Amino acid sequence: NAGVTQTPKFQVLKTGQSMTLQCAQDMNHNSMYWYRQDPGMGLRLIYYSASEGTTDKGEVPNGYNVSRLNKREFSLRLESAAPSQTSVYFCASPGPGRGTEAFFGQGTRLTVV
Amino acid sequence: AQSVTQLDSQVPVFEEAPVELRCNYSSSVSVYLFWYVQYPNQGLQLLLKYLSGSTLVKGINGFEAEFNKSQTSFHLRKPSVHISDTAEYFCAVSDGGGATNKLIFGTGTLLAVQP
Repeated sequence: NAGVTQTPKFQVLKTGQSMTLQCAQDMNHNSMYWYRQDPGMGLRLIYYSASEGTTDKGEVPNGYNVSRLNKREFSLRLESAAPSQTSVYFCASPGPGRGTEAFFGQGTRLTVV
Repeated sequence: AQSVTQLDSQVPVFEEAPVELRCNYSSSVSVYLFWYVQYPNQGLQLLLKYLSGSTLVKGINGFEAEFNKSQTSFHLRKPSVHISDTAEYFCAVSDGGGATNKLIFGTGTLLAVQP
């Protein structure tokens, strides 16, 4: 049981390049999230998906797009990367019901030069 | 909107000493509170959570936290820390509303345990 799997683990992009971060969960959960983590700022929600076929903006959505491909997969796309998007990105999936634990992937460390 | 404040960005402590990591949240009618731990180069994992009932919550690795509604606090404590407790600790809140269980995180506290 892998839980939440993210790929890639590391990536270096040049300004203006595009890329897609992949996330998959094998827990049959409805909800999935994308966060970014920056020093001194904690984790900030980029986008979330309450169920297959639905996505909503979080706190910092600018410069990103998402796709909830099916119940298992939730991808995050950077269309034109900027140095301000250098960060560690985490995918997470909470269980059903109120107050349940969120399970996190191992993170993707992205550097935009 | 919910918010979480972790006033201490870093807490240095000697091994076997007690530690308290502070967390305050914005008030809400009902709120669920969490502490997550992040070891270097890893994702986050749940330490403990408060949903309702007893205000003293026990978690993994000997940690505990106390929910204080009047002070809107959820401080994390451990009576005796170990070198292996060195990590970043995040307090988080969820209002439990809707279908998303969105978590709002604090800025984190780095616990640095010294020998």
